[in-house]
Amino acid sequence: DAGVIQSPRHEVTEMGQEVTLRCKPISGHNSLFWYRQTMMRGLELLIYFNNNVPIDDSGMPEDRFSAKMPNASFSTLKIQPSEPRDSAVYFCASSRSGSKQETQYFGPGTRLLVL
Amino acid sequence: AQSVTQPDIHITVSEGASLELRCNYSYGATPYLFWYVQSPGQGLQLLLKYFSGDTLVQGIKGFEAEFKRSQSSFNLRKPSVHWSDAAEYFCAVGPTGGGNKLTFGTGTQLKVEL
Repeated sequence: DAGVIQSPRHEVTEMGQEVTLRCKPISGHNSLFWYRQTMMRGLELLIYFNNNVPIDDSGMPEDRFSAKMPNASFSTLKIQPSEPRDSAVYFCASSRSGSKQETQYFGPGTRLLVL
Repeated sequence: AQSVTQPDIHITVSEGASLELRCNYSYGATPYLFWYVQSPGQGLQLLLKYFSGDTLVQGIKGFEAEFKRSQSSFNLRKPSVHWSDAAEYFCAVGPTGGGNKLTFGTGTQLKVEL
């Protein structure tokens, strides 16, 4: 079975540019999570969706960040405009919400460098 | 609020030696507990999880973890470490009844000496 798919795997962009990260969750999973990992702050939950609806976006750093989930098989995380401090690895994870033993499965991540 | 502490930032062990990575959690009820491993440049892979029942949990790659309620701990162990186990290990806690909003520890970087 295919796991969580993220694209691109690597992104290098210049400050001020728009960046769009993409995620395809595992088929049948109805919860999707976006995380950011940095050396300074570790692994942070940015936002999560349940049945395509954003449930908690309290971890989104600021208005420059936005996330959408137009359908059950696709989500985007957009940064506009990007800044050097946004450089990090961004992970997407998915799970089957509602099961008692809910487990999150992670994608390989997108390594973002903003110059 | 739930929290996780991994007191060891770095650990170095010799190949073939035993390993124990510490994890302490703070949560008001019985938590769901997880250990993930992250190899360089990779995503997080689930090693094992505890939800209820037997407090000794077996995972993949020969790892096990023991839930100790009295100590609020969920330490990860392996009897004999292989060089390929070198990676970063994350402990995470989730609320009873669902895995949403996992809280991760800061991770322990494991180095294996040959």
